[in-house]
Amino acid sequence: AQKITQTQPGMFVQEKEAVTLDCTYDTSDQSYGLFWYKQPSSGEMIFLIYQGSYDEQNATEGRYSLNFQKARKSANLVISASQLGDSAMYFCAMREYSQGGSEKLVFGKGTKLTVNP
Amino acid sequence: NAGVMQNPRHLVRRRGQEARLRCSPMKGHSHVYWYRQLPEEGLKFMVYLQKENIIDESGMPKERFSAEFPKEGPSILRIQQVVRGDSAAYFCASSPTGGWSDTQYFGPGTRLTVL
Repeated sequence: AQKITQTQPGMFVQEKEAVTLDCTYDTSDQSYGLFWYKQPSSGEMIFLIYQGSYDEQNATEGRYSLNFQKARKSANLVISASQLGDSAMYFCAMREYSQGGSEKLVFGKGTKLTVNP
Repeated sequence: NAGVMQNPRHLVRRRGQEARLRCSPMKGHSHVYWYRQLPEEGLKFMVYLQKENIIDESGMPKERFSAEFPKEGPSILRIQQVVRGDSAAYFCASSPTGGWSDTQYFGPGTRLTVL
């Protein structure tokens, strides 16, 4: 079963408008972390924002905010006032733990965001 | 504050050759993770290491792939006898303690092309 689901392969937004990128997750753990990364065409992975499962407030980092709905198991990324430089792939990821002290990130398939002038 | 360093950034190998990918974690980080990204896909976990220890290699192919993180020096991902299907971007990430709220910071990746 897919642990992280990003249902939007591609999204378009006009410059200066807000956009929401969807992410739903599946876990039975009580403690978990959710992350969003940006991958521009140059290829690097840039950390954007983190939400812990026990955080009562939605995370915010500048123009990025995370709409965390725990009961729905969703962690949508909201980008306000889109800029041309926001055009990139966006990946949602969840930290997954396993026996023996291992932990890793499980990624969704990503959403390609295009910001139009 | 140097970020995660990876080299080389691009690597071209012919089938059957060996590929060595290097990763230097951020200063103060003792946990290293390797991920692989195939074209048009998300990243897939390969291996998790701490200094001199492999914690989890469940995502790594059983044959031809190995990883190490020695006491001194960078972490190395080694692919022996490369095949065309190994062509991908390989990312290294590091975190300070591996705790559940820790962020993994990624290097720029190594793009491996197998001819």
